[in-house]
Amino acid sequence: QVQLQESGPGLVKPSGTLSLTCAVSGGSISDNYWWSWVRQSPGKGLAWIGEIYRSGTTNYNPSLKSRVTISGDESKNLVSLTVNSVTAADTAVYFCARHITGWNAFDIWGQGTMVTVSP
Amino acid sequence: EIVLTQSPGTLSLSPGERATLSCRTSQSLRSRDLAWYQQKPGQAPRLLIYGASIRATGIPDRFSGSASGTDFTLTISRLEPEDFAVYYCQQYGSFPMYTFGQGTNLEIK
Repeated sequence: QVQLQESGPGLVKPSGTLSLTCAVSGGSISDNYWWSWVRQSPGKGLAWIGEIYRSGTTNYNPSLKSRVTISGDESKNLVSLTVNSVTAADTAVYFCARHITGWNAFDIWGQGTMVTVSP
Repeated sequence: EIVLTQSPGTLSLSPGERATLSCRTSQSLRSRDLAWYQQKPGQAPRLLIYGASIRATGIPDRFSGSASGTDFTLTISRLEPEDFAVYYCQQYGSFPMYTFGQGTNLEIK
């Protein structure tokens, strides 16, 4: 059974860089799946950040594209997220999620990791 | 960008009652590109329905989804205590882009 586990610093300073990893167990990131990052600001709804396929092809939310990079490390079975020039608006719970095969929905999610942007 | 509008914002019902949640899209959307999720406090979203009407693995059959034009509906036929949560619809469109509705809070009356 595939499981996802996000990890990374819980506190990032304004104008700094947010870096998170998503460890995939029970499957491989090189399998035939897309992998996404989704975030949820405190008390708010869900926002898609971007996706990656087989550590190569990526797509990003246009509103974040200039600041976001998603990458994959097949040797470590990790999907990573980097967000540059963060502000308080980037404070959120960050989830990684796997896309259900052949459909545009997310069937497996990590438990999420809270990131606070503060001096 | 397709905007999803969920209604009502809050729905107060009792266990055993039927819940009807709505998600309206601002533009035409293929049914295959609409999904529903359940989220409980402190937890990740859980996929309930994809392709507008296909139940995800392990989802009880009291959950059903339907579509009519730009109106999508999630129905819970008979509420169980564990069903009280926030529900989100999600669409895929304007490749590549996923967006979520603002959520419906289903609370115990």
